[in-house]
Amino acid sequence: GAVVSQHPSWVICKSGTSVKIECRSLDFQATTMFWYRQFPKQSLMLMATSNEGSKATYEQGVEKDKFLINHASLTLSTLTVTSAHPEDSSFYICSARLGTSLTDTQYFGPGTRLTVL
Amino acid sequence: AQKVTQAQTEISVVEKEDVTLDCVYETRDTTYYLFWYKQPPSGELVFLIRRNSFDEQNEISGRYSWNFQKSTSSFNFTITASQVVDSAVYFCALSDYNNNDMRFGAGTRLTVKP
Repeated sequence: GAVVSQHPSWVICKSGTSVKIECRSLDFQATTMFWYRQFPKQSLMLMATSNEGSKATYEQGVEKDKFLINHASLTLSTLTVTSAHPEDSSFYICSARLGTSLTDTQYFGPGTRLTVL
Repeated sequence: AQKVTQAQTEISVVEKEDVTLDCVYETRDTTYYLFWYKQPPSGELVFLIRRNSFDEQNEISGRYSWNFQKSTSSFNFTITASQVVDSAVYFCALSDYNNNDMRFGAGTRLTVKP
């Protein structure tokens, strides 16, 4: 149980295009999902917290107009990188909180590797 | 502010050696969670353990053990009789008790040589 998937697993795009990444909780409902970014050989940095049916909460320094997050259902959150540039190339990881209790554990997806040419 | 420090950037051991990965954290919260995750070359994070701040009991799971010392704000992870498959980057993480605001350490890259 508690499986989180991401699609695509990797994507290469041209500079200036937009890329959408999906995060799905496969066998549970997740009212809260999180998006992280990990640059090569670095740690994970929380980008935003996504709550179903409401606007995402972005961490300081993360541009909300560039990284659009939509959490339209209890099993799906999407991250759209708009007008991507090479510096946006990174490993994007989502997590979903199992259950409705705030103390439930986050389960992580396998990540999406984005390369912007 | 929450902060996690993993001072060991890289560790290399020979198979069957024991190895301890250090984790020191800072938080102003009185209640919080601590985690360890394994990230193999594939990139997927593998959950290893979650410990809440009220539970200072050490835990053992097979070859893995964790030592939580609240007095020194440390949550160290020991692998006994290491194996090549243990090679990965290991992250220590800290979250508030609402399980939000999860902060990761920089990670320790463990290489176990045959």
